[in-house]
Amino acid sequence: GNSVTQMEGPVTLSEEAFLTINCTYTATGYPSLFWYVQYPGEGLQLLLKATKADDKGSNKGFEATYRKETTSFHLEKGSVQVSDSAVYFCALSSNAGNMLTFGGGTRLMVKP
Amino acid sequence: DTAVSQTPKYLVTQMGNDKSIKCEQNLGHDTMYWYKQDSKKFLKIMFSYNNKELIINETVPNRFSPKSPDKAHLNLHINSLELGDSAVYFCASSLDYEQYFGPGTRLTVT
Repeated sequence: GNSVTQMEGPVTLSEEAFLTINCTYTATGYPSLFWYVQYPGEGLQLLLKATKADDKGSNKGFEATYRKETTSFHLEKGSVQVSDSAVYFCALSSNAGNMLTFGGGTRLMVKP
Repeated sequence: DTAVSQTPKYLVTQMGNDKSIKCEQNLGHDTMYWYKQDSKKFLKIMFSYNNKELIINETVPNRFSPKSPDKAHLNLHINSLELGDSAVYFCASSLDYEQYFGPGTRLTVT
């Protein structure tokens, strides 16, 4: 079956530091890949997506590249802000009803 | 306007009770979902409905029964609540692969 593995948190960084959150996946076929963000007390919001190999998704300074050869979709940001503090979820979508399979989530804490 | 809304936001109840969580989306999407998020933030799909018909039913106890009166609504009814049902429940909807989530309902069973 499908599965998503992402690095455990929490990840604690100082403002303006470089961020990487690793994500690898196992899936049959050619899934679409996503990063969702959950701010405290809120639901999930789509941060970025990539639908085929070598696609790069980007939004709000975050980016991730769909690497089929390494089955990875690592999230990066060059300079984090305190407002980026949240839980980040890597996910993939199978063709079966567009069901999302999520990773375990990574909590990011950015300190001023 | 809220795209995906859920009520209530918080629900505290005792073991053995029956409760319902409501979800509505005004995006015109065909597919709706229920997810469960446990205390460690792990998210798992429970159900998926497309145009009022069940298309995914993951391994969920049959105490959980989704009901979709129309394609804009997907309610979740839970019978005989157990301590292990305590979690945050998220509703979502989609037109294609991009899903839009509601704000969540925090269920606490005492």
